[in-house]
Amino acid sequence: GAVVSQHPSWVICKSGTSVKIECRSLDFQATTMFWYRQFPKQSLMLMATSNEGSKATYEQGVEKDKFLINHASLTLSTLTVTSAHPEDSSFYICSARDLFTVSQETQYFGPGTRLLVL
Amino acid sequence: SQQGEEDPQALSIQEGENATMNCSYKTSINNLQWYRQNSGRGLVHLILIRSNEREKHSGRLRVTLDTSKKSSSLLITASRAADTASYFCATETSGSRLTFGEGTQLTVNP
Repeated sequence: GAVVSQHPSWVICKSGTSVKIECRSLDFQATTMFWYRQFPKQSLMLMATSNEGSKATYEQGVEKDKFLINHASLTLSTLTVTSAHPEDSSFYICSARDLFTVSQETQYFGPGTRLLVL
Repeated sequence: SQQGEEDPQALSIQEGENATMNCSYKTSINNLQWYRQNSGRGLVHLILIRSNEREKHSGRLRVTLDTSKKSSSLLITASRAADTASYFCATETSGSRLTFGEGTQLTVNP
């Protein structure tokens, strides 16, 4: 149980285009999902917290107009990188919390999406 | 500096030896969690220790937490080549936000 998927697993795009990444909780409901970014050989940095049915909360320094987050249902959150540039190339990872289990503190992570902007 | 600093940055040991990784943090926390990440992959949750707990075990893993020193350690006993990965500590504060440490790259040589 507690599986989180991401799609696509990797994507290559041209500079200036927009890319949408999906994060799904497959066998549980998640009121809260989190989006992280990880550069090579670095740690994960929280970008934003996505709450179902409300606006996402962005971390300091993360442009909300560039990284659009939508959390339309209890099992799906999307991150859209708008007008992508080469410096946006990174590994994007989502996580979700299971609303109904005893261990609500545990976040379950997706496998990540590798984005390369040319 | 960043919450959740880890040391060492890299650790190389022989199969069968124990591996110890340390994590320090700066603010009050709800809990501290350890994760494992194989190269280029997602994170796997290993163990969670709450702020009112001092030690926790799970299989070959042993985690300690010292809130007075704001530090935690992860011990992997009888290491295996398959344990080779990056290990991250993450502290949870208000709003369920996780702040990750810089990670320790563990290499277990067969």
